[in-house]
Amino acid sequence: DAGIIQSPKHEVTEMGQTVTLRCEPIFGHNFLFWYRDTFVQGLELLSYFRSRSIIDNAGMPTERFSAERPDGSFSTLKIQPAEQGDSAVYVCASRLARTGQYFGPGTRLTVT
Amino acid sequence: QKEVEQNSGPLSVPEGAIASLNCTYSDRGSQSFFWYRQYSGKSPELIMFIYSNGDKEDGRFTAQLNKASQYVSLLIRDSQPSDSATYLCAVPRDNYGQNFVFGPGTRLSVLP
Repeated sequence: DAGIIQSPKHEVTEMGQTVTLRCEPIFGHNFLFWYRDTFVQGLELLSYFRSRSIIDNAGMPTERFSAERPDGSFSTLKIQPAEQGDSAVYVCASRLARTGQYFGPGTRLTVT
Repeated sequence: QKEVEQNSGPLSVPEGAIASLNCTYSDRGSQSFFWYRQYSGKSPELIMFIYSNGDKEDGRFTAQLNKASQYVSLLIRDSQPSDSATYLCAVPRDNYGQNFVFGPGTRLSVLP
């Protein structure tokens, strides 16, 4: 039973660079969520999709963040340009309707 | 605005004891409740969910729901050191179950 796949596992980048994180949800899950886990404030919802449509992206901290899910399967989270304060673990989750969310392993982003 | 509250802990129990984790929620209309376990530096993983008043058992875990008191708990029997983690209570943000409000989590430490 394949779980959620996130890539890369760890991304180290410099301030001002563009970062693209990828998530492959569990097959058949139409809801997909992006969270940021700072371990201080806990899980912070950034945005979520139903199929290819963004339902809510009010949690995106700034316009530097954007998320896409072009064909309703995989999704990308882009940070452009990255800042040091963006360093965190970015976690993808997916679910079917009316079930709990299943979380991916996360991508640890370090911005130097 | 839905709220989910948990005692942040740490809750320390000796190995083999029963660990009791509690969660209260503000929205009387909430219908379903989910428990997640999060190891340090890892993503949350779904342990179990409960929809009906009463108890639901799964292995060493028992979820208890009391809608009248707006209270849900998780009992871990025969606690093991490997159960040491943060336990998150989550409630769907709306009646469609599209998104979740997470409690701050309770840190459990099982002492060998």
